[in-house]
Formats: sequence, C-alpha cells, structure tokens
Amino acid sequence: EAQVTQNPRYLITVTGKKLTVTCSQNMNHEYMSWYRQDPGLGLRQIYYSMNVEVTDKGDVPEGYKVSRKEKRNFPLILESPSPNQTSLYFCASSSSHGQGVVFGPGTRLLVL
Amino acid sequence: AQSVTQPDIHITVSEGASLELRCNYSYGATPYLFWYVQSPGQGLQLLLKYFSGDTLVQGIKGFEAEFKRSQSSFNLRKPSVHWSDAAEYFCAVGTDSWGKFQFGAGTQVVVTP
Repeated sequence: EAQVTQNPRYLITVTGKKLTVTCSQNMNHEYMSWYRQDPGLGLRQIYYSMNVEVTDKGDVPEGYKVSRKEKRNFPLILESPSPNQTSLYFCASSSSHGQGVVFGPGTRLLVL
Repeated sequence: AQSVTQPDIHITVSEGASLELRCNYSYGATPYLFWYVQSPGQGLQLLLKYFSGDTLVQGIKGFEAEFKRSQSSFNLRKPSVHWSDAAEYFCAVGTDSWGKFQFGAGTQVVVTP
C-alpha cells in the first residue's frame, strides 16, 4: 500500500530534550515536507525537500532541523524542544507528476 | 508569495442541504489548487485538485470545485451533505507540483440532523 508513515504517533517530552520524528514513504516521491497544524492556523510548512541532500526552509523553520540522506526518509529533528513546539505534525510527500500531497497519519507532540 | 484565505472559520449546515466552502488565493500565475478534508482525529485526505483545463473539477465523496481566475477563487461545493461530511476542510495552493504548498486556515463544517 502506498503510504507515508510517521513514528512515533504520540510523544510527550520535556523542554530541551532532543527528539526525532521519523518519516518514510514508499512511493518513490522526490518531494517530502513537514507541516505543523495548530488550531486556527491551518497547516504551516516547516521544511521541504526536493530530493536527496536538497532541503529548504518553509514558513516556520525556527527550532527544527531536517535531513534527507535517502529518498524515502525525511526525519524531523527538534534539538531543544520548547513548549511552543507542542503541536500536531504531519509528514507529506509528493511527486513532480502533480498528484497532490500524500500525508502521513500525524504525530502529536506535547512539550512540557 | 502565494497565500490562501478561507473566509469562513465555521459553517453549520443541515443534513441534505447544499454546502459551499470558499477559498481565495493570491498568486501571480495560475497556481495548482487542492482541497483536503480532515475528519476528527484523522489525517488529511485529498478531495480534488486543479492544475489546468476544465475549471469545474470533480472529486471524491460527491464534491466538486470551480476555479474562477477572475475572482482568484476555488470554491468547494456539495449538493447534499451527509452527516459523515462533518470535518475540517483545507484549501491549498501550490506554485508547482513539487512540494511547496500554502494551506488555508481551514473551515470547520458541522452537520445538523
């Protein structure tokens, strides 16, 4: 089944404790992105990647890092999480063939 | 830079009634346009998309949307809503199909009996 997977789905952590949310897609898509969803703000793009080793900032990149060492994987790294990063995070992938964006199931993060 | 506006934060509609959700975008050229639906506690599902050609596009679950260049709009419609249509709907704009997208803030749809 074509899909985007994220892990973990739920995470509670404390301020300053580094964490990584993994994302993987099995559709051979070139493009991958991370979004955060907050009430009243919709989805805001954090980072996106056009291909292996090619990444760029989205609209809200502060406090996040990403890497794209393999085409299928696009982990999101929070080096020093803060409470304002409490949110619902979605990984997504898309191709140059214009099929739209395929989203993962989401990761709900709580930073205490 | 492109932007997306969904003027209605919340809409209440009776089951069986028609539904129209508004979406306006700002972009210099013809963008790629999408509508997504998010059911409670769920991820996002693509309803329909517009790239070019016929300005009235059909999607899944009986939804359709019309691209109006003169109004910079891409409104979503459904002739008769079902209780299962209660969800949050997001309009999205892409300047290419590659992966950089802007999403609207969403419209929450409540369906009453």
